[in-house]
Amino acid sequence: EPEVTQTPSHQVTQMGQEVILRCVPISNHLYFYWYRQILGQKVEFLVSFYNNEISEKSEIFDDQFSVERPDGSNFTLKIRSTKLEDSAMYFCASKRDFNYGYTFGSGTRLTVV
Amino acid sequence: AQSVTQPDIHITVSEGASLELRCNYSYGATPYLFWYVQSPGQGLQLLLKYFSGDTLVQGIKGFEAEFKRSQSSFNLRKPSVHWSDAAEYFCAEDYGQNFVFGPGTRLSVLP
Repeated sequence: EPEVTQTPSHQVTQMGQEVILRCVPISNHLYFYWYRQILGQKVEFLVSFYNNEISEKSEIFDDQFSVERPDGSNFTLKIRSTKLEDSAMYFCASKRDFNYGYTFGSGTRLTVV
Repeated sequence: AQSVTQPDIHITVSEGASLELRCNYSYGATPYLFWYVQSPGQGLQLLLKYFSGDTLVQGIKGFEAEFKRSQSSFNLRKPSVHWSDAAEYFCAEDYGQNFVFGPGTRLSVLP
């Protein structure tokens, strides 16, 4: 079964640094998402992306965050200036069309020190 | 509001005992429902999903879930739990525009 691939699996960064989390969605999927899970908490929605633009974003997704689909295969989440509270597991997801099920990647654990 | 609830924060069962994890959804006449498992520090692994059809869904690792529209429930079951099943379990619903996770149920398994 096709997979959503996320790299790296674990990233450590210093507070204030920029970080880019990378995702390769399934090739024929059109909708893309980022979710976040702070340690011990539930998985929360960050942002959805369709037709090369953000379609919805949560309160968490402030000006420090941005997403991009730079080359038609990758889908990236950038955090401009990381804070300690950005430490979390970040999940990418994609789906083929609006009424079809999501496929999640295995996640990138971001640790901000 | 769209929500998925899992009434049990933590469940402990003995190895070999049966298991049922509860999940209730709040939205949709034809919901798309999922169960994921997460081991500590790991990503999400899809156990099973329900879109339509047979209300009893078989998944991986011997898990199954039953969709009950009248109760707005999608409970996860396993007849005999193994020590390796100890993990966090998340129920989730696909709302189309969004995908909402329940708060999770932590499963501990006693030897």
